[in-house]
Amino acid sequence: GAVVSQHPSWVICKSGTSVKIECRSLDFQATTMFWYRQFPKQSLMLMATSNEGSKATYEQGVEKDKFLINHASLTLSTLTVTSAHPEDSSFYICSARDPGTRGEQFFGPGTRLTVL
Amino acid sequence: GNSVTQMEGPVTLSEEAFLTINCTYTATGYPSLFWYVQYPGEGLQLLLKATKADDKGSNKGFEATYRKETTSFHLEKGSVQVSDSAVYFCALSEGAGGTSYGKLTFGQGTILTVHP
Repeated sequence: GAVVSQHPSWVICKSGTSVKIECRSLDFQATTMFWYRQFPKQSLMLMATSNEGSKATYEQGVEKDKFLINHASLTLSTLTVTSAHPEDSSFYICSARDPGTRGEQFFGPGTRLTVL
Repeated sequence: GNSVTQMEGPVTLSEEAFLTINCTYTATGYPSLFWYVQYPGEGLQLLLKATKADDKGSNKGFEATYRKETTSFHLEKGSVQVSDSAVYFCALSEGAGGTSYGKLTFGQGTILTVHP
């Protein structure tokens, strides 16, 4: 099946700094990628839909100035958490839609962000 | 809006026991239904899916039937193994033509632990 990678797999940063998370589709081109946030023992919450070459579409309640998304190519989307605070600590997961499999989404392994 | 409700866990079973994880949904139109599995330390993987009423998705001994009349998509396996220990997520994707086409709405996840 299609493979999606995320980097880094975990990151620890100080409060007030920015962190960039990369999501790559390794063997297919993804015009659409999704970013989710998963709290401990809770479900995945869709944060935004990232479309190649255009602005991301954010879900209600997600601050677009805090969670910057860039989808500059058909295989790469990045999520930057700006001025991170402890409440931003979470597990961030991306998925990429493969048009070759009727739009099935393939998920990355996730990135654990801890803000001190 | 769309929503997915699944059986709360955790679920603890002995090896070779029968498994049922209930999932019900609320959606407009004709959604597609999915079960995803998340093994420890890994990303979500699609386990099975069904795209229309009365369809049965099956994979690795797991199966689920799309029941439109009861808006349900319960996951079953006749004989679980220790290796099935994971978190299971029920999800739906709105059908074509809907405003949320392609977006996945997840249930809260059910932790399954299988003991030898």
